[in-house]
Amino acid sequence: AQSVSQHNHHVILSEAASLELGCNYSYGGTVNLFWYVQYPGQHLQLLLKYFSGDPLVKGIKGFEAEFIKSKFSFNLRKPSVQWSDTAEYFCAVRPGGYNKLIFGAGTRLAVHP
Amino acid sequence: GAGVSQTPSNKVTEKGKYVELRCDPISGHTALYWYRQSLGQGPEFLIYFQGTGAADDSGLPNDRFFAVRPEGSVSTLKIQRTERGDSAVYLCASSPGEPSYNEQFFGPGTRLTVL
Repeated sequence: AQSVSQHNHHVILSEAASLELGCNYSYGGTVNLFWYVQYPGQHLQLLLKYFSGDPLVKGIKGFEAEFIKSKFSFNLRKPSVQWSDTAEYFCAVRPGGYNKLIFGAGTRLAVHP
Repeated sequence: GAGVSQTPSNKVTEKGKYVELRCDPISGHTALYWYRQSLGQGPEFLIYFQGTGAADDSGLPNDRFFAVRPEGSVSTLKIQRTERGDSAVYLCASSPGEPSYNEQFFGPGTRLTVL
């Protein structure tokens, strides 16, 4: 079955620390990949997406993610986090030929000033 | 412009009752999705509409769940004989439709509590 794994359920960082959130998926065919973010009290918003081409994708607010096909991974990174990055982050996969998204369980990030 | 809206924002019901949850997609979006998010989990796909028709209903957990989109805009998710395990946040998303790489825009969700 298709699934998405996010390695960390809770991450606590201090401001200016670097961030990497892991995401692995299980699907052997073509995929589109997404990171969504949910800030406290708000709804899900798209951070970045990968469809094809350069496997290093840049998104909003200084976030980037790298697609490594051989590892079935799409890890999210940010060199220096801010307090305002406190949120829950969801990795999602759209398997080729489907329109639905398959989400991971999410990672709660808390950034302390 | 207005985003995806969902009503009600909260719904409390008793076991065995029938509920309807409404979704208003972004104007002009032909694709509409329903997801369910249980506590501590990511959203789980339920059903996808392209226009008025359900193109993929493979995520509906059983026949107590049904969704319609009669005019290709507003959609209603209907749950019969609710059970405590149906308690979750029900999310609606819309996208401009084909090509399939369009972003899905999510609404704020309806929190359903079944007592």
